[in-house]
Amino acid sequence: GDSVTQMEGPVTLSEEAFLTINCTYTATGYPSLFWYVQYPGEGLQLLLKATKADDKGSNKGFEATYRKETTSFHLEKGSVQVSDSAVYFCALSGPAPTGGGNKLTFGTGTQLKVEL
Amino acid sequence: NAGVTQTPKFRILKIGQSMTLQCAQDMNHNYMYWYRQDPGMGLKLIYYSVGAGITDKGEVPNGYNVSRSTTEDFPLRLELAAPSQTSVYFCASSTGLGRTYEQYFGPGTRLTVT
Repeated sequence: GDSVTQMEGPVTLSEEAFLTINCTYTATGYPSLFWYVQYPGEGLQLLLKATKADDKGSNKGFEATYRKETTSFHLEKGSVQVSDSAVYFCALSGPAPTGGGNKLTFGTGTQLKVEL
Repeated sequence: NAGVTQTPKFRILKIGQSMTLQCAQDMNHNYMYWYRQDPGMGLKLIYYSVGAGITDKGEVPNGYNVSRSTTEDFPLRLELAAPSQTSVYFCASSTGLGRTYEQYFGPGTRLTVT
């Protein structure tokens, strides 16, 4: 079945440091790939997405490129801020178990802490 | 728009009790989902619905029931609560079921069963 593997956290960085959170996936067919972010006490929000190979998703200074050859979708940001502290989830969209349609398969999440 | 709302925010249940987690969305989305998030794990799909009157099982449906009588509401029922159901529950909705569609999440309900 589909699966997503992302690097374990927590990741602790100083403000303005470069961020990479690794994500690799296993899926049949051609999934879409997503990064969701969860701020403390809140639900998940879509950060960015890519729907086909070599697409680059970007938002709020974050970027990720859909690499089919390495089955990866690593999240990067050039200069993190304290306000970026959150849990980041990589996810793919694949077939739902029953009833047709698609479902999201999530990685375990990576907590990012950014310090001054 | 309020988006996706969930009540309650927190709840403590005793083993064997039952309760209903409420979820509502005001975006006129046909598709709604229930997930659970266990510590250190990703989200697991419990049930989903493609429209009023239609529901389907996800990966971990045992111990739960759902109904969808209106487009807006998608309650999740726990019968005979067990400690294994201690988790954070998220409701989500989307405009489509296709692989490119974004899901919008509620703030979650933290449930403890003791």
